[in-house]
Amino acid sequence: QVQLEESGPGLVKPSQTLSLTCTVSGDSISSGAYYWSWIRQDPGKGLEWIGYTSYSGRTYYNPSLKSRLTISVDTSKNQFSLKLSSVTAADTAVYYCTRDSGYGGSDYWGQGTLVTVSS
Amino acid sequence: QSALTQPASVSGSPGQSITISCTGTNSDIGNYNHVSWYQQHPGKAPKLIIYEVTKWPSGVSNRFSGSKSGNTASLTISGLQAEDEADYYCCSYTGSSTLVFGGGTKLTVL
Repeated sequence: QVQLEESGPGLVKPSQTLSLTCTVSGDSISSGAYYWSWIRQDPGKGLEWIGYTSYSGRTYYNPSLKSRLTISVDTSKNQFSLKLSSVTAADTAVYYCTRDSGYGGSDYWGQGTLVTVSS
Repeated sequence: QSALTQPASVSGSPGQSITISCTGTNSDIGNYNHVSWYQQHPGKAPKLIIYEVTKWPSGVSNRFSGSKSGNTASLTISGLQAEDEADYYCCSYTGSSTLVFGGGTKLTVL
């Protein structure tokens, strides 16, 4: 059974960098069959696609976040990561990592982790 | 990229059918057969229920069906059940190799 688990700080100060890691089990990122995605959701609001990475590190980002965003992959640890710099309160959200077909079909999701941006 | 447009809410009675629309542009829905739909219950992660406009992931009920015409995709739920009450989101691949979601639709089963 494929499982994804997000980890990282739940509280980040404004202007700092938000860093999250997703650990994948039950599938190998190195298989190359999928993209590995980050999606966030403002509390009580809708979903926003952040970006995704291939096993080789090829990345695609939401244009509205691109200037602050880095998504990377570590196939040796079967993990991928998100870094979002210069955060503000608007970046407060539940962050999900997912396994995606590359075309929007995210068939496995982590449970989500709430990140609050506050001083 | 702008979010896809969904109605904020829809409702129906048990046993009825409802349809949720998702309107995009020629840069996303209108140009690609890569529309997916997600169901989200409160406090839970979204669940993929339709991908590539009309396909079902393994284990998803065929009471859910998808379609597309021009720049608008639709999700139809037939034989409404109480457990179908949830938020529903559409998602489309775009010409920029990115993804865009709709704003979400709250389904109430009366």
